[in-house]
Amino acid sequence: DVVLTQSPLSLPVTLGQPASISCRSSQSLVASDGNIYLNWFQQRPGQSPRRLIYKVSDRDSGVPDRFSGSGSGTDFTLKISRVEAEDVGVYYCMQNTHWPPCTFGQGTKLEIK
Amino acid sequence: EVQLVESGGDLVQPGGSVRLSCAASGFTFSNYWMTWVRQTPGRGQEWVANINEDGGEKHYVDSVKGRFTISRDNTKNSLDLQMNSLRAEDTAVYYCVKGQWADSWGQGTLVTVSS
Repeated sequence: DVVLTQSPLSLPVTLGQPASISCRSSQSLVASDGNIYLNWFQQRPGQSPRRLIYKVSDRDSGVPDRFSGSGSGTDFTLKISRVEAEDVGVYYCMQNTHWPPCTFGQGTKLEIK
Repeated sequence: EVQLVESGGDLVQPGGSVRLSCAASGFTFSNYWMTWVRQTPGRGQEWVANINEDGGEKHYVDSVKGRFTISRDNTKNSLDLQMNSLRAEDTAVYYCVKGQWADSWGQGTLVTVSS
C-alpha cells in the first residue's frame, strides 16, 4: 500500500500569515493515464471532511483561492496564502492513483497562534 | 445539493454484526462509484470499501475482507455496508462518500464495538 507522510503534524499559524503542509508518498503517484490522483481535504472541528483540491492542484467549487495545491511525483504541498480563523481544523492528503486501497496521510492540525 | 445521510451506527459486542445505510440525493446516484471511509482518533482516516456504478465491482481494504460487504440499490439511491464478525478495532465513525475521488461526504455514523 502507498504510504502518505504529512508534515508538520501540528501547525500553529498567526492570522493573515501563510501556511504550508507537505505530503510525501512512498511511491510515485503518476497514474498510467498520466494524471496524479492526489487530493486534499479539510475537516473543521465537529464537521465531516470536505474536499478542497483534487488532482494535485484543481480547486473544488466554492473553495477560496487562498488555497492552492502543487507537486509532482512523490512530493506535494497544500498552501494557504493568508490564514483565516475559519481555516482551523485538520488537513489530510489522500491518494487514489494506486488502489485499492486508497490511502490517507495522518493529518495536520492547523491552529491559530 | 448533494446529500448523504448515514444511519445504522450502534454499540455492538465483539463478534456481532451491524448494517450501515446511506441515503443519497442531489445527484444521479447510479452514475457514481460510492465509497465507505472510517475515522478513528488513533488511526485517522481509513478507506474501507468502494463499489462501482452498477454494483458489479467491489473492493475492500484487507482488514475487512471476508467480514464486510458493500452493496447498493440504484432504484432507492442507497448504499449499504454489512459488517460481520466485528472487532474492537472496527470502532470508528463511518462515512458514506460520493465517488472514487471523495468529492462529498456524509455526516458519519458511529459504530462502537465493545463488550
